[in-house]
Amino acid sequence: QKEVEQDPGPLSVPEGAIVSLNCTYSNSAFQYFMWYRQYSRKGPELLMYTYSSGNKEDGRFTAQVDKSSKYISLFIRDSQPSDSATYLCAMSLTGGGNKLTFGTGTQLKVEL
Amino acid sequence: EAGVAQSPRYKIIEKRQSVAFWCNPISGHATLYWYQQILGQGPKLLIQFQNNGVVDDSQLPKDRFSAERLKGVDSTLKIQPAKLEDSAVYLCASKDAGNTQYFGPGTRLTVL
Repeated sequence: QKEVEQDPGPLSVPEGAIVSLNCTYSNSAFQYFMWYRQYSRKGPELLMYTYSSGNKEDGRFTAQVDKSSKYISLFIRDSQPSDSATYLCAMSLTGGGNKLTFGTGTQLKVEL
Repeated sequence: EAGVAQSPRYKIIEKRQSVAFWCNPISGHATLYWYQQILGQGPKLLIQFQNNGVVDDSQLPKDRFSAERLKGVDSTLKIQPAKLEDSAVYLCASKDAGNTQYFGPGTRLTVL
């Protein structure tokens, strides 16, 4: 069993839809949770950074962490074609600047 | 602010040959990382430097991979000899005192 599980997709949605992306993990010691966006042929870019359980909102993006269920989510509201990318969840024991354990990524396509 | 620079962007070699990748981090960033991203997988940390010292190289296959950051700025990652399973994108990232890792565009290695 992988430490971090993520549905690879691809996930295709119409423009304006609400997108839900999810990861589950097995190591209860993870404390820091991140979502990265990766466009084709580019490096990952940090979207959201959260510590422990709870919600965090930034514009059209909302990150949720449920440590009791070992489950994290990223919601994208009013999705745009420019949101088409691979979304990677990542986790760390000791902070975003230290060793990150990534999921496999979910490929998202937002269609006009 | 210039981002993380990597070269070359693409490299094709035969198995058992050697190859080297170069990374120039964002100016002033003391922490530098090398990740391996195999197609369809999330990035896996190979090595983390703090200035010119190694913080974590637990997942670096030391029989064939080596990395250095001699003056605490640029870094090189070498593979010698390469195997077919080394085909991947090699990502360099850097970080300042905060929690955000900034990734370069990567070097795509194909081993034939």
